[in-house]
Amino acid sequence: DSGVTQTPKHLITATGQRVTLRCSPRSGDLSVYWYQQSLDQGLQFLIQYYNGEERAKGNILERFSAQQFPDLHSELNLSSLELGDSALYFCASSVDSRETDTQYFGPGTRLTVL
Amino acid sequence: AQSVTQLGSHVSVSEGALVLLRCNYSSSVPPYLFWYVQYPNQGLQLLLKYTSAATLVKGINGFEAEFKKSETSFHLTKPSAHMSDAAEYFCAVSTSNTGKLIFGQGTTLQVKP
Repeated sequence: DSGVTQTPKHLITATGQRVTLRCSPRSGDLSVYWYQQSLDQGLQFLIQYYNGEERAKGNILERFSAQQFPDLHSELNLSSLELGDSALYFCASSVDSRETDTQYFGPGTRLTVL
Repeated sequence: AQSVTQLGSHVSVSEGALVLLRCNYSSSVPPYLFWYVQYPNQGLQLLLKYTSAATLVKGINGFEAEFKKSETSFHLTKPSAHMSDAAEYFCAVSTSNTGKLIFGQGTTLQVKP
């Protein structure tokens, strides 16, 4: 158990819908990262928050957004869902945002868009 | 731009045999490199990381990796494979200033009895 929790574990929804994925980092960690894992794209970095502020952005679609709240939990919002958004979404946390910090991964949320 | 290439999407070894998973990186600055393991239906777990302290890095479960700057490689090895090592392995490079990870495509390790 990494100490990072993600809810829900599974999510099945229809095209055009909007969903919210939630992540609670390890106690004391200030950075939260979101990654998408799919068969065709592999593991892709989406976005990072550090102590409530956006720190880095990857190949995140405009339909996707995220935020980190004062209690440091984070939410990833996916809207106007398409079939291609079906993937495993991981949240990871680290104590800081240095390139040497270990990132601890949650178990993931599996999103299926029908 | 930094990138990682894992050679071989599938590697099959016999139980007790040497495990060698290959990773080459591309980076214009000194890289920080990681190996993660993903068991079925689970998240990623750190095996080991290179942060320039020592070129030979020892990790969990008997794995180790050697950073070779001249070859731009960071291959993962284990002297004797165990059935429980069957999983997907990811090499990653950490980018500067933020810590975000750039992952390779992954290598699935199969261990045959």
